[in-house]
Formats: sequence, structure tokens, C-alpha cells
Amino acid sequence: DTAVSQTPKYLVTQMGNDKSIKCEQNLGHDTMYWYKQDSKKFLKIMFSYNNKELIINETVPNRFSPKSPDKAHLNLHINSLELGDSAVYFCASSPGGETRVSPLHFGNGTRLTVT
Amino acid sequence: GDSVTQMEGPVTLSEEAFLTINCTYTATGYPSLFWYVQYPGEGLQLLLKATKADDKGSNKGFEATYRKETTSFHLEKGSVQVSDSAVYFCALSDGGTALIFGKGTTLSVSS
Repeated sequence: DTAVSQTPKYLVTQMGNDKSIKCEQNLGHDTMYWYKQDSKKFLKIMFSYNNKELIINETVPNRFSPKSPDKAHLNLHINSLELGDSAVYFCASSPGGETRVSPLHFGNGTRLTVT
Repeated sequence: GDSVTQMEGPVTLSEEAFLTINCTYTATGYPSLFWYVQYPGEGLQLLLKATKADDKGSNKGFEATYRKETTSFHLEKGSVQVSDSAVYFCALSDGGTALIFGKGTTLSVSS
């Protein structure tokens, strides 16, 4: 009964390919996020959606495109993959847009390796 | 802008030792403060939180007190176990729509 689930767990692909990572939450939350964790464990926000509307779009190459078909799903599509895209990508959700009192619930991550 | 600074790791301790992981923050307003834990191969889980000055968050034997005067939120545990080995993240929310995380501190506990 996973709350935030991501697929796939591991993704190995070659430079130049296009790939997608899917995320679904069954918590009824309004807000979903994508974070990138680098090899040193540093976490950086990439995108955030509230009720299917993009509310955070950090400085991320436009090869990365999030898509939210409904408030329970937030997918991440990456075009023309580069070596530097190798990282662990985490999906998260929270009840509302105010994170001061609404903690984030994270998925288990997708480890992307670009060769 | 707002930021969180954590002590560099890794922190290596023997079982039953006392743990402190330092965290300081910079924020213009009155943020909420959090500690998250990431066990190997898993996502982050909320460990504890404090929403105002002098609040103490606690969970699973871990504690942290929100100190506005020193802008700190240090994580402590009196007696660590091997199962506490993980990466610990301090984070703040200034009321915006995303948490700001520190760089994480790896804790390794040996028996």
C-alpha cells in the first residue's frame, strides 16, 4: 500500500536517449514535486505542481519536462540524456502548497545512470 | 536567500554513543524546521519537526530544539543503534511551496 510510488526504480540508458519516470501518490495530496539527488546526496528541487498547475520551475535544462495528467500523477520526461543527468530522482507529495506545516512524503527514488 | 548548513559527515559512532548533528539556518522570516532521514535505498522520511522558536521536536529517541537566538536546530540522540545508520537531512520551510534541504550528514553506527 505504497503512498508515493515511482517507476522504474533503476534506469540505465545511453547518452542521447529520451526517457520518462512516472510517479503516483494515493494520499489525496494536492502538491507534487520532483527533486534531484546528486552523488554527494545533495537534494535540489526541480519542479512542483499544485492541482496539475506548475508552481515551481527551478533552473533546470529544458530537456526536462514534467507532466501532471491529474493531481495524483506527476511524470518526468527527459530528452537527449547527458552524462550529468545521472542521479537519483525523487518524487514527493504534500497535502497543500504550504510546506511550513505539511511535511513531504517521498517515493523511494529512481536511480538514473547515463552511459 | 534562505539556506541550511549541516555539519560535514560522515559521522562514525559505536552503538550506544551519544549523537549530535549540527544544523544552522538562514531565513528572513520565521521558518518551520525539519529533520528527515534517508535509509539506504529508500526515500526520505520525516523524523521530527518544530514550527516555532523553543519548540522541541522528538521521535524515536531523537530530539531537536528550535533555537531562534542561535538559528540552530541540532539533532541529538542519547544512545544510537546500528539501525540508526542513515543519511540525515535538516530542512526549513519559509512558507513557500518547497522545502530547502541541507546537504545531508551520513551516520554510520557499528556494533
